[in-house]
Amino acid sequence: GEDVEQSLFLSVREGDSSVINCTYTDSSSTYLYWYKQEPGAGLQLLTYIFSNMDMKQDQRLTVLLNKKDKHLSLRIADTQTGDSAIYFCAESRTNAGGTSYGKLTFGQGTILTVHP
Amino acid sequence: SQTIHQWPATLVQPVGSPLSLECTVEGTSNPNLYWYRQAAGRGLQLLFYSVGIGQISSEVPQNLSASRPQDRQFILSSKKLLLSDSGFYLCAWSLGLAVNEQFFGPGTRLTVL
Repeated sequence: GEDVEQSLFLSVREGDSSVINCTYTDSSSTYLYWYKQEPGAGLQLLTYIFSNMDMKQDQRLTVLLNKKDKHLSLRIADTQTGDSAIYFCAESRTNAGGTSYGKLTFGQGTILTVHP
Repeated sequence: SQTIHQWPATLVQPVGSPLSLECTVEGTSNPNLYWYRQAAGRGLQLLFYSVGIGQISSEVPQNLSASRPQDRQFILSSKKLLLSDSGFYLCAWSLGLAVNEQFFGPGTRLTVL
């Protein structure tokens, strides 16, 4: 199966760290992604991680991948009110030639609310 | 640089009326193109994707159809809208590389009454 699941809501105080979790079922996933959607807008790629990596850090964002447990997390350090949005994790697969199948499977999204 | 456009931005249509949503991409050639629906502001459901002109793959059976008459144009259509077709429709493109980063348009909010 290709299910991707996320917790639905997360509320944090400004300045704290946020951790958004995601689980997936397809062990052949090669890339995993985190997208951000602000109200009434399209999705924007935040970061991605290749499946042979355990961690990737990009400024305030840290992605952790536990391939054994098929668990992906996104940590946002020093969370700001501008980080309030819906965060989607997604997975994709490639064939042996490295070409993407062209499809992403998205989770339901986690609504992050940052309050002062 | 590449840009993706969708129109209209919002649309209110009666049940049983036809639908045509348009998506165009600029600044790239031979992109993969995608239509998603997001119901109730939550999860994304892939409706159609296309790897080339005239090539459409449907992901779920539904009341909608898609066409790709030109390389960078993707159209979502219906002959008769249902109430359940209401939602936020997002078009996206990618280059189909190993890192399948998809770039999303601003979306169309469709309300069927």
